[in-house]
Amino acid sequence: DQQVKQNSPSLSVQEGRISILNCDYTNSMFDYFLWYKKYPAEGPTFLISISSIKDKNEDGRFTVFLNKSAKHLSLHIVPSQPGDSAVYFCAASAQSGRRALTFGSGTRLQVQP
Amino acid sequence: DAGVIQSPRHEVTEMGQEVTLRCKPISGHDYLFWYRQTMMRGLELLIYFNNNVPIDDSGMPEDRFSAKMPNASFSTLKIQPSEPRDSAVYFCASSQQYTEAFFGQGTRLTVV
Repeated sequence: DQQVKQNSPSLSVQEGRISILNCDYTNSMFDYFLWYKKYPAEGPTFLISISSIKDKNEDGRFTVFLNKSAKHLSLHIVPSQPGDSAVYFCAASAQSGRRALTFGSGTRLQVQP
Repeated sequence: DAGVIQSPRHEVTEMGQEVTLRCKPISGHDYLFWYRQTMMRGLELLIYFNNNVPIDDSGMPEDRFSAKMPNASFSTLKIQPSEPRDSAVYFCASSQQYTEAFFGQGTRLTVV
């Protein structure tokens, strides 16, 4: 039972353009959502998060949008840079319950110079 | 802080041998998580601790797996006996109560 789904295994965009990575969840208890970036042979590194009381959070080139009614979130990267090429994981947790993160399967982003 | 420290980075062992993975969380973090990453199952939670107490071990695949956290600065994940299907990258992560989790660099385990 996949509670967090990333349906696009890969995405390729041109440098300077927008990258949009999508994530869906099924567990209505989730109230905290995060995006992690992972390079080969390294652990995931935290990128940005959003609480369920918000619908948008921005940090520099990265913006996360949350649509609670659709149980959908997205990560926008503008402008995309070659150094953004990595695997991006969406994760979710229930702050009042099970604190551990549930991860999606990841989307491999390739930014072409 | 040096971040979450895992050892060893790579481990190659023969089937049937005991394997012990080690983790030092970030000082002051009261949550510690063990995850496993495989091609088939992605990043899956094995077990997590709060204030050194195991809270949820429902992800531990079999009795061959065990984890301990004897103090706030050290945790181990042990596999005994190891099997080829245990080959994966094992991550340790730590966090404070309402913050993101920080991951170590992982241990790549190969059981031959």
